[in-house]
Amino acid sequence: AQTVTQSQPEMSVQEAETVTLSCTYDTSESDYYLFWYKQPPSRQMILVIRQEAYKQQNATENRFSVNFQKAAKSFSLKISDSQLGDAAMYFCAYRSAGNDMRFGAGTRLTVKP
Amino acid sequence: DGGITQSPKYLFRKEGQNVTLSCEQNLNHDAMYWYRQDPGQGLRLIYYSQIVNDFQKGDIAEGYSVSREKKESFPLTVTSAQKNPTAFYLCASSPGGLAKNIQYFGAGTRLSVL
Repeated sequence: AQTVTQSQPEMSVQEAETVTLSCTYDTSESDYYLFWYKQPPSRQMILVIRQEAYKQQNATENRFSVNFQKAAKSFSLKISDSQLGDAAMYFCAYRSAGNDMRFGAGTRLTVKP
Repeated sequence: DGGITQSPKYLFRKEGQNVTLSCEQNLNHDAMYWYRQDPGQGLRLIYYSQIVNDFQKGDIAEGYSVSREKKESFPLTVTSAQKNPTAFYLCASSPGGLAKNIQYFGAGTRLSVL
């Protein structure tokens, strides 16, 4: 079964600095999709970024980028120029064809002013 | 505004009682999902539906039931058989059931036991 591991329960970053959140996953599939979701205090899950496994190029969305290492089964999220509004729980998720979405346990990010 | 509406925001259940959580979407999405979120854990899938009048069990379906009579609605009933129902429940929808499809989430319902 596919599993997703987020080894950092909590992280903190100074405002305007850069932080990287880690995620690893276990799968025998070659074609799949990876996602980072943000859950702010409002509790509503918001998609941050998506990566297709067949693409070698790392996905980027404004200040958010990923480091996708397929062989290592690693999918980290880098947040540049951190802002107070980035404070949230961040969930890494994995999904392959015919299977359900699998979520990691989450990383709570604190942004210090 | 297009989106997913979950109601109520807070819900209390008495022992032995069934309660129903509402999820409505106006995104014209085919697929809908129910997840349970417990502290320190990621989301776990309860049920999902890829088309009207059809649904499948997820990892933790025991003690829950769903229906999908309309495309826009996917209510979740927490039955008395669910012995530990206290959790945060999230509903999601996506254009289809493919792995590439992004899932969009509602604001959630917090269920507590009296």
